[in-house]
Amino acid sequence: EDQVTQSPEALRLQEGESSSLNCSYTVSGLRGLFWYRQDPGKGPEFLFTLYSAGEEKEKERLKATLTKKESFLHITAPKPEDSATYLCAVNQAGTALIFGKGTTLSVSS
Amino acid sequence: EAGVVQSPRYKIIEKKQPVAFWCNPISGHNTLYWYRQNLGQGPELLIRYENEEAVDDSQLPKDRFSAERLKGVDSTLKIQPAELGDSAVYLCASSLSGGAREQYFGPGTRLTVT
Repeated sequence: EDQVTQSPEALRLQEGESSSLNCSYTVSGLRGLFWYRQDPGKGPEFLFTLYSAGEEKEKERLKATLTKKESFLHITAPKPEDSATYLCAVNQAGTALIFGKGTTLSVSS
Repeated sequence: EAGVVQSPRYKIIEKKQPVAFWCNPISGHNTLYWYRQNLGQGPELLIRYENEEAVDDSQLPKDRFSAERLKGVDSTLKIQPAELGDSAVYLCASSLSGGAREQYFGPGTRLTVT
């Protein structure tokens, strides 16, 4: 049973075309929800941690939000350098991270 | 500040051969993780250390995989003998201890078993 589901699997945007990535989770006892960015051939790079429903965090063109069932990563006016795979992960009751399969974002100029 | 260091970056071996991966975590991070990432998938935990102690190794295939973190700093993950299905990227991560801390990942070792 999937505990973390990300959608869409792949997303193609034009430069400047804003959109959102979704991460839904079914774990109980959520201790934290994490967003990572992964470029080809590299390890995941930490972006955000969200701990409670209603929390929001921003970094440049990215904004992450959290509800009791899902999280969104909003990308405003993306640039080609935002192209990467975005991974969502949850920490359940102090265990290690449980990752989704990721959303691969391609932004063309 | 130096990040998580892993070596080698790439390794190609024949099946049934042994292989070892090395990781040096961020200074001051007591918690160390080994993950395996298959193509098109998110990382999956193999083992988690708190200092020298392996506190979660439930997903480690113990018949062929072993790991150690003798002095509570760097760590080695070994596979012996390797199988074709072990081809993947092996990622090391570290974090501060306690609670749901963000984990910082190394660049990974891409293993190809032929």
